[in-house]
Amino acid sequence: EAQVTQNPRYLITVTGKKLTVTCSQNMNHEYMSWYRQDPGLGLRQIYYSMNVEVTDKGDVPEGYKVSRKEKRNFPLILESPSPNQTSLYFCASTRASGTEAFFGQGTRLTVV
Amino acid sequence: AQSVTQPDIHITVSEGASLELRCNYSYGATPYLFWYVQSPGQGLQLLLKYFSGDTLVQGIKGFEAEFKRSQSSFNLRKPSVHWSDAAEYFCAVGAWGSARQLTFGSGTQLTVLP
Repeated sequence: EAQVTQNPRYLITVTGKKLTVTCSQNMNHEYMSWYRQDPGLGLRQIYYSMNVEVTDKGDVPEGYKVSRKEKRNFPLILESPSPNQTSLYFCASTRASGTEAFFGQGTRLTVV
Repeated sequence: AQSVTQPDIHITVSEGASLELRCNYSYGATPYLFWYVQSPGQGLQLLLKYFSGDTLVQGIKGFEAEFKRSQSSFNLRKPSVHWSDAAEYFCAVGAWGSARQLTFGSGTQLTVLP
């Protein structure tokens, strides 16, 4: 089954404690992205990757890092999380000329 | 830069009534437009998409949307709403003619009354 898998689904952490949210897709897609969803703001793109070792900033990249060492994986790293990064995070993948983005189930992050 | 506006934060309709959710976009070229639905605690599901051709697009679950270039709109419609349609709906525009980088609207929360 074609899918995008995020882990964990839920995470509560403390300010400043580094964390990683994993994302994996099994569709051999070139493009992968991270979005955050906040009430009243919809989804906003954090980072995206066009292929292995190629990444670029989206609309709200501050406080986040990403890496793309393998085509299927695109982890999101928060090196020093702060409460304003409390949000619902989605990973997505699509083909290079893709007409549909496939989303993971989301990761709800709370930073206290 | 592209943008999407969903003017209605919250809409309430009775089951069986018709529904129209509004979406206005701003994009410098031919837009690639999408409607997604998010049920409580769930991820995003694609309802329909428009790239070119017929301006009336049919999607899943009985939804349709009409692209109107002159009004920069892509409104979502359903003739008869079911209680299971209660969810949050997002309109999005894709950059570079694809779904690679999506700009979303702020969403419309739909409540369905019995």
